Amino acid sequence: AQSVTQLDSHVSVSEGTPVLLRCNYSSSYSPSLFWYVQHPNKGLQLLLKYTSAATLVKGINGFEAEFKKSETSFHLTKPSAHMSDAAEYFCVVSPPYQGGKLIFGQGTELSVKP
Amino acid sequence: DVKVTQSSRYLVKRTGEKVFLECVQDMDHENMFWYRQDPGLGLRLIYFSYDVKMKEKGDIPEGYSVSREKKERFSLILESASTNQTSMYLCASSFSQGGNYGYTFGSGTRLTVV
Repeated sequence: AQSVTQLDSHVSVSEGTPVLLRCNYSSSYSPSLFWYVQHPNKGLQLLLKYTSAATLVKGINGFEAEFKKSETSFHLTKPSAHMSDAAEYFCVVSPPYQGGKLIFGQGTELSVKP
Repeated sequence: DVKVTQSSRYLVKRTGEKVFLECVQDMDHENMFWYRQDPGLGLRLIYFSYDVKMKEKGDIPEGYSVSREKKERFSLILESASTNQTSMYLCASSFSQGGNYGYTFGSGTRLTVV
């Protein structure tokens, strides 16, 4: 069975410091992987996606993620946090041959201190 | 700008009522999905559809049904609303190869059952 585990329910960083949000997945086949962000009272926005091309994926707003098959990880990083990055982040897997369904992690709430 | 539109942003219903949540997309997507979002649980898939009049159960279909009579519209039905169905409901759509092309989410309907 496919699953996604976000290792931290809450991460707090200071503005200007690096961000690391951790995600591990479980999948029998090579999945498609995504990171979505949800700002308070807003819909979900796609940050980036991995679909078996380059293992280092660049997204919007300076975020990037690296697919590591040996570690079954897809951690999200950003070199320097901005106040506007405060939001909830979801790591998501889309297993192949399952009609395009998405499986979400539990979410990581990112707080950014001034 | 492409859109997934959910008919209501906030909804309050009484226990036992039949509730309809509507979702419309204008992108000619084949796949449509209904998720519910609860704190600490992420998003969980209720039902999805990969074609008109087709439907598949997700991970938590109990107490729900769906209807897809037209390609652009996917309705979620709570046959007899209960307080444990109080939640945020999110609709999404994608092309059939969703993993490669990504998904678009609606802004959500926050349903309260009293």
